[in-house]
Amino acid sequence: EVHLVESGGDLVQPGRSLRLSCAASGFTFDDYAMHWVRQAPGKGLEWVSGISWNSNDRGYADSVKGRFTISRDNAKNSLYLQMNSLRAEDTALYYCVKHITNYYDSSGYYDYWGQGTLVTVSS
Amino acid sequence: EIVLTQSPGTLSLSPGERATLSCRASQSVSSTYLAWYQQKPGQAPRLLIYGASTRATGIPDRFSGSGSGTDFTLTLSRLEPEDVAVYYCQHYRRSPRTFGQGTKLEIK
Repeated sequence: EVHLVESGGDLVQPGRSLRLSCAASGFTFDDYAMHWVRQAPGKGLEWVSGISWNSNDRGYADSVKGRFTISRDNAKNSLYLQMNSLRAEDTALYYCVKHITNYYDSSGYYDYWGQGTLVTVSS
Repeated sequence: EIVLTQSPGTLSLSPGERATLSCRASQSVSSTYLAWYQQKPGQAPRLLIYGASTRATGIPDRFSGSGSGTDFTLTLSRLEPEDVAVYYCQHYRRSPRTFGQGTKLEIK
């Protein structure tokens, strides 16, 4: 059974940094691209970032480009999101999501989601 | 960027009734690249449908998807109380993969 467990969410002040983690199990992690999708309180879903199976290709939403960095450690079956220069509008529940193919930007949907970790940016 | 517009915003129906949810794209996404997700209160989204009409593993046949080009429909036949959720469509034709704003389904 596929499990994606996010951690690292917290209350932080604007301008500070935070690192999210996602522990994956139940599938061959390095066979698949992974993504982060966020959901602001009471709002819809927004794609944040994606990374291919071998970390060679990564993509970011315009809203986070230059501030967030996605990475993965296949030996640890883990996905990460380094979030710098956080803003109030980054406040959201961040979901770790499994892609159905190994290349993050290929035409593919998300077949498994974690339960999310909450990031609150406020002074 | 492809914009997905879902309607209605909220749908309130009785158990046993049929629900029809719409998703309209600002440009063609073909039938291959459209998915539907269900998000129950307090839970993460769950994949329901991909390729516009293929049910994901474990999804009951009460759920069906149809459409092509720019107009897509998710149909829930014989509503049950457990179907209370927000339903999102998503295209995955190319980046950025955008979501619709969601349709909230309420059971009377």
